Amino acid sequence: KQEVTQIPAALSVPEGENLVLNCSFTDSAIYNLQWFRQDPGKGLTSLLLIQSSQREQTSGRLNASLDKSSGRSTLYIAASQPGDSATYLCASRVDGNNRKLIWGLGTSLAVNP
Amino acid sequence: ETGVTQSPTHLIKTRGQQVTLRCSSQSGHNTVSWYQQALGQGPQFIFQYYREEENGRGNFPPRFSGLQFPNYSSELNVNALELDDSALYLCASSSIRGFSGSSSYNEQFFGPGTRLTVL
Repeated sequence: KQEVTQIPAALSVPEGENLVLNCSFTDSAIYNLQWFRQDPGKGLTSLLLIQSSQREQTSGRLNASLDKSSGRSTLYIAASQPGDSATYLCASRVDGNNRKLIWGLGTSLAVNP
Repeated sequence: ETGVTQSPTHLIKTRGQQVTLRCSSQSGHNTVSWYQQALGQGPQFIFQYYREEENGRGNFPPRFSGLQFPNYSSELNVNALELDDSALYLCASSSIRGFSGSSSYNEQFFGPGTRLTVL
């Protein structure tokens, strides 16, 4: 059974810092892994999708990596800004007929001006 | 290209009532997934619909049911509401394309959610 863990649960940093959010999964047979952003009380915004055959994806100041052998994905945010403050969730899609997303609990990020 | 929309945005019901939530998928998408997100938790998969049929279900009782229509929009119905059903209900759309003899799930795009409160 796939389990997804995100560390840390919360993070507070000053503006301008580079930071790394971690996502671990127990079953390496994933189909893909997706990173999302969620603002309080709002829906989810997809940030990056990494297919199982890929090692990383980049979008602007965001870079996500995937290491299936170690069961880890990291989301790197460069030059953080107050507007980056949100909860960041990772979700893995496992192989098989039931291709649902398995989610972590998220990392709550606060970037202070 | 329109994004995923959900209605209503907020809803208050009492225990025992029934509720219907609606989702319009993104243009070009044929798959809709529903998730329940309790406060402070990650989303939990309820079920997925593909071509108007259920294509996978999470650990939710039968009083959670759904429909997908020919235009790929979808409904989530919950009967006999319980207090613990209070949550943000999220709908996500994606497309399934076959290649190399296997199905491929593209990125999932989420709607803004419906906040359901059961009193």
